[in-house]
Amino acid sequence: QLQLQESGPRLVKPSETLSLTCTVSGGSISSSSYYWGWIRQAPGKGLECIGSIFYTGTTYYNPSLRSRVTISVDTSNNQFSLKLTSVTAADTAVYYCARESPITGSLWGQGALVTVSS
Amino acid sequence: DIVMTQSPDSLAVSLGERATINCKSSRSVLYSSNNKNYLAWYQQRPGQPPKLLIYWASTRESGVPDRFSGSGSGTDFTLTISSLQAEDVAVYYCQQYFTTPPYTFGQGTKLEIK
Repeated sequence: QLQLQESGPRLVKPSETLSLTCTVSGGSISSSSYYWGWIRQAPGKGLECIGSIFYTGTTYYNPSLRSRVTISVDTSNNQFSLKLTSVTAADTAVYYCARESPITGSLWGQGALVTVSS
Repeated sequence: DIVMTQSPDSLAVSLGERATINCKSSRSVLYSSNNKNYLAWYQQRPGQPPKLLIYWASTRESGVPDRFSGSGSGTDFTLTISSLQAEDVAVYYCQQYFTTPPYTFGQGTKLEIK
């Protein structure tokens, strides 16, 4: 059964870079059937797509975050990663990684709460 | 980008009664070549990640109770819970996956017990 697990620092200082990695188990990240995405949810708010990546490295970003976001994939370790630069308190959120199917919707990790604070 | 708009923002329904949540997309998510609507519904219970309930607008994910059903086509969709149970208290989201990512979400509908 496919599982996704987010890892990385849970506390980031303002103006610094938020970095998270999603490790995929129970399935290959190199499948041509899926995208691999990052979604965040600020406390008490709705879901916001950050961006997605295909195993070839093709990326798709939310236009509102594009200037600060980089998503990369490491097929040898079955992982993909998120970097968000110049963070502020507004970037405090639960960050989810997900397997995104263009056929049947998305399967999510448990999420990682990242707090931006000095 | 396709904008997804849900209504209502919140809903209170008595146990055993029907709950209906609506979702409207800013343009059609019906793919004419296969007549499939690229629209999913998710349930998010407090402290949990979203869980896929329905894809292709009306196909229940494996293991989802049959009191959950989805309907609609093109730009207008509905999630119906036929007989509300206590465990159905959650926030529900629709999502389009018609375009390339990012697959945009509605703003969510909070479902509570009356």
